[in-house]
Amino acid sequence: DQQVKQNSPSLSVQEGRISILNCDYTNSMFDYFLWYKKYPAEGPTFLISISSIKDKNEDGRFTVFLNKSAKHLSLHIVPSQPGDSAVYFCAASGGNNAGNMLTFGGGTRLMVKP
Amino acid sequence: NAGVTQTPKFQVLKTGQSMTLQCAQDMNHEYMSWYRQDPGMGLRLIHYSVGAGITDQGEVPNGYNVSRSTTEDFPLRLLSAAPSQTSVYFCASSPEGVADTQYFGPGTRLTVL
Repeated sequence: DQQVKQNSPSLSVQEGRISILNCDYTNSMFDYFLWYKKYPAEGPTFLISISSIKDKNEDGRFTVFLNKSAKHLSLHIVPSQPGDSAVYFCAASGGNNAGNMLTFGGGTRLMVKP
Repeated sequence: NAGVTQTPKFQVLKTGQSMTLQCAQDMNHEYMSWYRQDPGMGLRLIHYSVGAGITDQGEVPNGYNVSRSTTEDFPLRLLSAAPSQTSVYFCASSPEGVADTQYFGPGTRLTVL
C-alpha cells in the first residue's frame, strides 16, 4: 500500500491563477516533506521542503502547507506560469523511524495554459 | 560542477542480458542512491550507499547489485534483465542523508524485451 499518495494525476490551470497540488500520507512517523519538480527527459529537481514542526513554508511563488492531523500537505504556486508545467512529486521521510529513505508519491502533471 | 551524471541515456536489452548503469557525482557527497520510476508509482529506492565501501538495500532491490569503490561512482548492475525491469532509472546524491534532499541525475531509460 502506498504510504504517500497524490490522488490527482493531472491538473490544468490558467496562467496567472493559483495552482494547488495535494498530497496525502499514511505513516505518522514521517516528519520531513519535500516537493520535487520534473521536466520531461530530466531528473527531478528539489523545489521546497517542510519539517513537521512547521505548518507553512514559503519560497517566492511556492508555498507548502502541512496539516499533520489530516496527514495532508499541499503545494501552492501563485501566480502560475507556463514554465511551471511539469510533473510534481511529493516525498516524505522520517529518518530511522520510517525506513531511513524518501517515500515518493505517484506524481501530478501540472499544465499551465497561456 | 557537472552534478550527477548518468550513462547511457537510453538502453534496450533482451531478457537475460546483463548491463551496468553508470552514475558519477562531482559534489563530494557521501550519500548516493538509485531509484526507478514507473508510471503512477513515483520513484522507488533500489539501493543506496552511505559512503565508499558501504551499500544497503532499498525498497525494491531484487535483480540489482551495486558497489561503491569511490566517493564519486555508484554503478547499478542488472545481472539478468527481465521485462519487469523496464523503467526509468535515476541516480541521486546527497550531502545530508538518504532520507534528505536528493540531487538527481538526468536518468537512464531502459527497455527490456
